[in-house]
Amino acid sequence: DAKTTQPTSMDCAEGRAANLPCNHSTISGNEYVYWYRQIHSQGPQYIIHGLKNNETNEMASLIITEDRKSSTLILPHATLRDTAVYYCIVRVGWNNAGNMLTFGGGTRLMVKP
Amino acid sequence: NAGVTQTPKFRVLKTGQSMTLLCAQDMNHEYMYWYRQDPGMGLRLIHYSVGEGTTAKGEVPDGYNVSRLKKQNFLLGLESAAPSQTSVYFCASNRQGVMNTEAFFGQGTRLTVV
Repeated sequence: DAKTTQPTSMDCAEGRAANLPCNHSTISGNEYVYWYRQIHSQGPQYIIHGLKNNETNEMASLIITEDRKSSTLILPHATLRDTAVYYCIVRVGWNNAGNMLTFGGGTRLMVKP
Repeated sequence: NAGVTQTPKFRVLKTGQSMTLLCAQDMNHEYMYWYRQDPGMGLRLIHYSVGEGTTAKGEVPDGYNVSRLKKQNFLLGLESAAPSQTSVYFCASNRQGVMNTEAFFGQGTRLTVV
């Protein structure tokens, strides 16, 4: 799986958009970008994933650059409950034996009042 | 719908003791995983299973054994606990499919080995 690089920490004001970047310059054509978050040592929670088109769901938006070497997770209106560690993970899109989630250090997002 | 349930939530062991962590999922998922997370670190895969009766090693399998006798349960065993195994353990599951599916995680088991 391609390696990802994320900032160690970020701050965001409550109510503002939080933009979390991720670099994955060695991503392959068959690899997807996944985002999970972990709130205060709870189990990680799936947020969103995408291949090359921008994606949006009820939690967030995912913007992937045209060359797919980087992406940005956008939380449109951050709340205090969005304070968490956010993990950007790149993996192949299909299930097979050994195709597991590989977690790096993630970005610690602090949403402030 | 309980999702993924881990038992126990907390445990303190003495060095050399053994114990088993239980993970149960009620979503009929084929794939199950055990991760550990040390303070300030990301999750690391210990063992995983792609179906009942099958298991495989992950990134950090030494000192652990697993079993998947029933589809809904995935057990993680520590035969002789060591202080280096002090960690938070997470179980996860997802369903089999052509494309990757969302993984669901339990709330974790906090293990301290003294």
